[in-house]
Amino acid sequence: NAGVTQTPKFRVLKTGQSMTLLCAQDMNHEYMYWYRQDPGMGLRLIHYSVGEGTTAKGEVPDGYNVSRLKKQNFLLGLESAAPSQTSVYFCASTAGHYSNQPQHFGDGTRLSIL
Amino acid sequence: DAKTTQPTSMDCAEGRAANLPCNHSTISGNEYVYWYRQIHSQGPQYIIHGLKNNETNEMASLIITEDRKSSTLILPHATLRDTAVYYCIVRVGISGGGADGLTFGKGTHLIIQP
Repeated sequence: NAGVTQTPKFRVLKTGQSMTLLCAQDMNHEYMYWYRQDPGMGLRLIHYSVGEGTTAKGEVPDGYNVSRLKKQNFLLGLESAAPSQTSVYFCASTAGHYSNQPQHFGDGTRLSIL
Repeated sequence: DAKTTQPTSMDCAEGRAANLPCNHSTISGNEYVYWYRQIHSQGPQYIIHGLKNNETNEMASLIITEDRKSSTLILPHATLRDTAVYYCIVRVGISGGGADGLTFGKGTHLIIQP
């Protein structure tokens, strides 16, 4: 009963390095999301996807890219990491199609940019 | 999505019912009320949602006022493990339904006292 799995759980990067965060869900959900959470704040939407091969921008998309090549996976990329991207990143998924479907979240990736 | 207002923090004695209020006076007729919680360092966890009728599941009850301008989440027998930040979110799907991300405020920090 894995649900939403995020890898890695922790990562430290230097400014300018690149990396990819992986989100995998085993619930056959159509919609997937990437959020970030900064200390003392609620989650903010970075990008989302309504299906395989589609992506869209959320509230704070700058500095990030995403891809949804397979329905079960949603990748978040940082091309050139900046200290302002130090945060906890959460992935979520939902069956979609109706507004009353809850989102299911992973346990997060804690990313520090030095 | 309509804005919600929640108290910053609340205390509750272990074993008692925890009642968490949420004000959403600008809610529209097709918007649902969702509750999520976030236990320290974990991803948000879905609790319950409703449109206009009261709802109950194994975790909690949701009471929505008749005018739908406010609601109360009830944890019937709070335990120490219920200490978390609780988010009240009002949400409507965009075209196709369900695609948009959740808008998280700062929530209510519920502390269960032994």
